[in-house]
Parts: sequence; C-alpha cells; structure tokens
Amino acid sequence: DAGVIQSPRHEVTEMGQEVTLRCKPISGHDYLFWYRQTMMRGLELLIYFNNNVPIDDSGMPEDRFSAKMPNASFSTLKIQPSEPRDSAVYFCASSLLVTAHSGANVLTFGAGSRLTVL
Amino acid sequence: AQSVTQPDIHITVSEGASLELRCNYSYGATPYLFWYVQSPGQGLQLLLKYFSGDTLVQGIKGFEAEFKRSQSSFNLRKPSVHWSDAAEYFCAVGAPGGSYIPTFGRGTSLIVHP
Repeated sequence: DAGVIQSPRHEVTEMGQEVTLRCKPISGHDYLFWYRQTMMRGLELLIYFNNNVPIDDSGMPEDRFSAKMPNASFSTLKIQPSEPRDSAVYFCASSLLVTAHSGANVLTFGAGSRLTVL
Repeated sequence: AQSVTQPDIHITVSEGASLELRCNYSYGATPYLFWYVQSPGQGLQLLLKYFSGDTLVQGIKGFEAEFKRSQSSFNLRKPSVHWSDAAEYFCAVGAPGGSYIPTFGRGTSLIVHP
C-alpha cells in the first residue's frame, strides 16, 4: 500500500485565496483525521470522519474551514478565505479501528501539506 | 477524558549515548499507549504501542517503552542513539472502550550531537 497520500506537499498562497488540501487514505481504513501542526499549538485535531461521515468537527477553527469526504478514498480540507495565521502543516491520517481492543486506534499519517499564506 | 504530558520540550544527547523520553498520562484505568516519531518534513510514524500484557514493549528502530501503572508513565528508551534518531517524538494515549481518538502530547524534540 502506498500509505496515506496528501497533496499538495507545499502550497504558497496569498491572503484571501481559497486553499484546498487533498487526502487519499489507506484502502480499507474506516477513520480519517485532519490535523494541523504549528509551533505554537502543536498537533491539533481539526475533524475526523468515520465511514465517510463527519463525527466531530469541534476542532475546526472557524467557518472559513470546511472538510468533506465524498467517498472512502478521498477527502478535502478547504480554507476560504485563507489568512496568514492559517500557515501550518496540515496532516491527514487514516486508521482501521482495532475492534479486538475497542478504543485502540492506530493512525497512519500522510507526509503533510505545508501551507504558507502571505 | 484522557490526557498525556511530555515534560521535556527538548532533549539533547550525544551519539552513542542512551536515551529516555518521558511520557505521563492521566486516565482512570489502563489506557492504550503509543509512541510516534516525526522526522523532519515527514508525517508521524508509529514506533510502538501498548495494549495489554508485557509492560515492556519493543518497537521499530531499536526503541522500547515500559508501561508503569504505579507512575502513570510510558517512557521511551533506546540504549544507543544514532544521529538519524534526531526527530520529534510524540506520546499518545487512547481510552479502552471509550473515545476512539488518541490524545497526543506536545512532543519532545530530540537533538543528537556527534
């Protein structure tokens, strides 16, 4: 398996522009997570999906952020309009819940998308 | 809800020296515990995990971790550090029968001197 695939790896944009980050999870995984990593706040969970359904989006910073998972093999995180404070590395991760150990969710992370908003 | 603390933001060791990274958790029962490593410019990679059984867990790249219930700790160790081990290390905790979402610590940055 190629692992979790994220694109683009790097994105530089200007304030006010729309940004779309993409993620292809590992085939067969039933959970998908979007994280944001910054020096100030560390690793923050933004939203996660189970079987393509958004379960908890309480970590999404504001209405400018939205995420979709139209099918089991694709998800997007969109920022519109983007602001300089959105500059961060955004990670997508997927997992298959280990049902023999309820609650044991071992995540596989993508390489991340580094976003710079000027 | 579970929580995890990594008390050390940075750790500096010399190549060949031993390493111990600290992780303390808060949870009412025995949790699931994980260590992930993030190399520069990369995503997080699972080093090892503890679900149950033997409290000394072996992982990849020569790392091991020991679950100590009495101390609510899950410290990561390596007997001899290599320069390639320089990375960010994250401890995470999961709740058996509860939330399926692991809680991550803030991470410890490992610096290796030649």
